[in-house]
Amino acid sequence: EPEVTQTPSHQVTQMGQEVILRCVPISNHLYFYWYRQILGQKVEFLVSFYNNEISEKSEIFDDQFSVERPDGSNFTLKIRSTKLEDSAMYFCASSSPDRGMTGAFFGQGTRLTVV
Amino acid sequence: GENVEQHPSTLSVQEGDSAVIKCTYSDSASNYFPWYKQELGKGPQLIIDIRSNVGEKKDQRIAVTLNKTAKHFSLHITETQPEDSAVYFCAATFNSGNTPLVFGKGTRLSVIA
Repeated sequence: EPEVTQTPSHQVTQMGQEVILRCVPISNHLYFYWYRQILGQKVEFLVSFYNNEISEKSEIFDDQFSVERPDGSNFTLKIRSTKLEDSAMYFCASSSPDRGMTGAFFGQGTRLTVV
Repeated sequence: GENVEQHPSTLSVQEGDSAVIKCTYSDSASNYFPWYKQELGKGPQLIIDIRSNVGEKKDQRIAVTLNKTAKHFSLHITETQPEDSAVYFCAATFNSGNTPLVFGKGTRLSVIA
């Protein structure tokens, strides 16, 4: 069964450093998303990406964040100048063009710990 | 924007009993309601979904009901098994392409053998 894969599974970084979280979406999917989940809280939408550009972003997704699809297979989330409150699980998801967010497949997540 | 409330936050049931998790949503335009199961160390996995043009959907031991008038939907798991133990999330969205899902806070279900 096809799956979304994320690397690394756990990332520890110093406050103020930059991190890049990586995702390989399912190969024939064209919509890509990042969500995050702070411990004990809701899964929150960050950004959606389609046709090589951001299609929607939440208030959380400020100038500290950026996304990129550097090649035909990877989808990355960059967090600049990390803060303690950026510590969370970050989930990548993808879906096929005829289904949009419906039926999205999620990766296993990257646990980001900012110290 | 959409807001989804989910109850209860934790639920313990005896193996073989049924479990019910309830969610309410605020945006009457929402028309797609998926349920995700998250096991420890894994990402959310879609287990069942329902669209606003139907009131109930079943898949083996899992069923979802939707009441559009009251703006609430529920997940029903019958004959629970220990492997059903996980965190369950409801979500809602308006299916217009890639409109993002809005999730509930999750319910930790424990099935006691």
